[in-house]
Amino acid sequence: SQQGEEDPQALSIQEGENATMNCSYKTSINNLQWYRQNSGRGLVHLILIRSNEREKHSGRLRVTLDTSKKSSSLLITASRAADTASYFCATAYMTTDSWGKLQFGAGTQVVVTP
Amino acid sequence: NAGVTQTPKFQVLKTGQSMTLQCAQDMNHNSMYWYRQDPGMGLRLIYYSASEGTTDKGEVPNGYNVSRLNKREFSLRLESAAPSQTSVYFCASKLAGRNEQFFGPGTRLTVL
Repeated sequence: SQQGEEDPQALSIQEGENATMNCSYKTSINNLQWYRQNSGRGLVHLILIRSNEREKHSGRLRVTLDTSKKSSSLLITASRAADTASYFCATAYMTTDSWGKLQFGAGTQVVVTP
Repeated sequence: NAGVTQTPKFQVLKTGQSMTLQCAQDMNHNSMYWYRQDPGMGLRLIYYSASEGTTDKGEVPNGYNVSRLNKREFSLRLESAAPSQTSVYFCASKLAGRNEQFFGPGTRLTVL
């Protein structure tokens, strides 16, 4: 079963606007990661936030984590047409034998129009 | 560096046929993973290899086998393909002590 549930499923915005997507998960995590997938390509790692962190920034990306609500959000500021992609959250298990296994959400499809 | 490479890019099989999907990484990563991606379902882990010489089942291992041939290569085998295995397959790798996974470009498999 999927650990992460993402919301919304799809998002359409214009260039320059901000895009926000949310991820909820079910069990305790070690860290939460966000990946981007361009059409027909593999996933690319964007940013990681650990369970003891509340907010993290990387360029135009801002990630928040609320462990009490078991949720995270990804904000892309000043979006560009090149940001058009699907975005996935992935949670890493807390168990010591996890070996880096991730559980992925179903993704948010973002379309940025010029 | 090529990163993570997968072959083939596309494949069409008939029900009951067998095939092996190949994956190789040149980043000296320790762990490797096989996922399948179906519409609206994100990625699901099929098998993974924490290190050379070890393999373990993931979330959806039925109908698949894997081989960690060496540190670089991790193959996925379908012994008797079924239409339910129509999917896009991704291989990924990770360096020990790091958390982010690096993905290959995927293999789009159709089973008729």
